[in-house]
Amino acid sequence: EPEVTQTPSHQVTQMGQEVILRCVPISNHLYFYWYRQILGQKVEFLVSFYNNEISEKSEIFDDQFSVERPDGSNFTLKIRSTKLEDSAMYFCASTKQGANGYTFGSGTRLTVV
Amino acid sequence: SQQGEEDPQALSIQEGENATMNCSYKTSINNLQWYRQNSGRGLVHLILIRSNEREKHSGRLRVTLDTSKKSSSLLITASRAADTASYFCATALTTDSWGKFQFGAGTQVVVTP
Repeated sequence: EPEVTQTPSHQVTQMGQEVILRCVPISNHLYFYWYRQILGQKVEFLVSFYNNEISEKSEIFDDQFSVERPDGSNFTLKIRSTKLEDSAMYFCASTKQGANGYTFGSGTRLTVV
Repeated sequence: SQQGEEDPQALSIQEGENATMNCSYKTSINNLQWYRQNSGRGLVHLILIRSNEREKHSGRLRVTLDTSKKSSSLLITASRAADTASYFCATALTTDSWGKFQFGAGTQVVVTP
């Protein structure tokens, strides 16, 4: 069964550093998303992406965040200057028109120290 | 209360018993989905129910939706130890099935052998 692949599975970074979280969505999916889950809290929507542009973003997705689809397969989330409160599990998801839900990746656990 | 609140927060049952959890939401929805998350892992899509549906089945899972009460329930029949996980409902507010979802805080289910 097709999977959404996320790398790395765990990343530790120092406060103020830039990180790039990578995702390979399912090949025939056209809608891409990033969600995050702070430990013990709800899964929160960050951003949706379609047709090479952001469709919607949440209040969390401020200027320090950006997304990119640099080629036909990867979908990345960049955090420019990480803060301690960015520590969370970040999930990538993809879907296609008419699908019965999203397919989520296994997540990247980001730890900012 | 927030959109998509699960009840109870935690549930402990024995193998073979049924597990029922509920989700309440506040605004009109297009569809509602249930996801499972094993500890520290990704989100696995279980089932989607559309706003014009009242009940859906998938294997040992049964989902109901009552739009008049703005609530949904997930029933896991004949539970197994492997069903131990957190279960989340997610509501889609837009008519597009590829719009963003809002997740609840989850019900943590523990199934003991």
